[in-house]
Amino acid sequence: DIQMTQSPSSLSASVGDRVTITCRASQNIGEYLNWYQQTPGKAPKVLIYSASTLQSGVPPRFSGSGSGTDFTLTISSLQPEDFATYFCQAIYSTLPDTFGPGTRVDIK
Amino acid sequence: QITLKESGPTLVKPTQTLTLTCTFSGFSLSTNGVGVGWIRQAPGKALEWLALIYWDSDKRYSPSLKSRLTITKDTSKNQVVLTMTNMDPVDTATYYCARRVASYGYSFDSWGQGTLVTVSS
Repeated sequence: DIQMTQSPSSLSASVGDRVTITCRASQNIGEYLNWYQQTPGKAPKVLIYSASTLQSGVPPRFSGSGSGTDFTLTISSLQPEDFATYFCQAIYSTLPDTFGPGTRVDIK
Repeated sequence: QITLKESGPTLVKPTQTLTLTCTFSGFSLSTNGVGVGWIRQAPGKALEWLALIYWDSDKRYSPSLKSRLTITKDTSKNQVVLTMTNMDPVDTATYYCARRVASYGYSFDSWGQGTLVTVSS
């Protein structure tokens, strides 16, 4: 199976801050990496798919980059509604999906 | 508009079998590239991918749970059913179903609201 790690596991930031979250896969997954946002009590919502493609309707302050094993989610200017937990998801051929452990973004 | 909704028992006893139904609308599970998956989340924990079924009936399972899971679809009813045998208190979680689309990087682009299943005697 593919193993995913995320860092940091949590962070505190202020409105307007630039935030970067990283996700690392245990093997090369090309660009088969998706990012999700989850707020308390809600289902996850896809933000970025295929490592860098913004899902329709997602604000452009969100961006994704990376390929192979190392990926990054960046929020260019943190907004109040962005305080949430972020998960990465690896998709690889016939192997099962794997979600990362999550990064919680709190208000500083 | 795409919607998915999970239904099933909220409380099951240890060793029992859980049956969850995902009823969806706004898309067809007979469309090339479309799948429906199940994901769960224990309280305060990460997402855990469980199973997936594609439009062509290809099925995938989490290796750690494969012996306990069965996923099926009824295209005419727009439903996907997940069964999980031998339930244990550690299986207490919110269970989500979600649509997966190849054209969106195989992401889960639409989710149900989730259903909390508690395993307790």
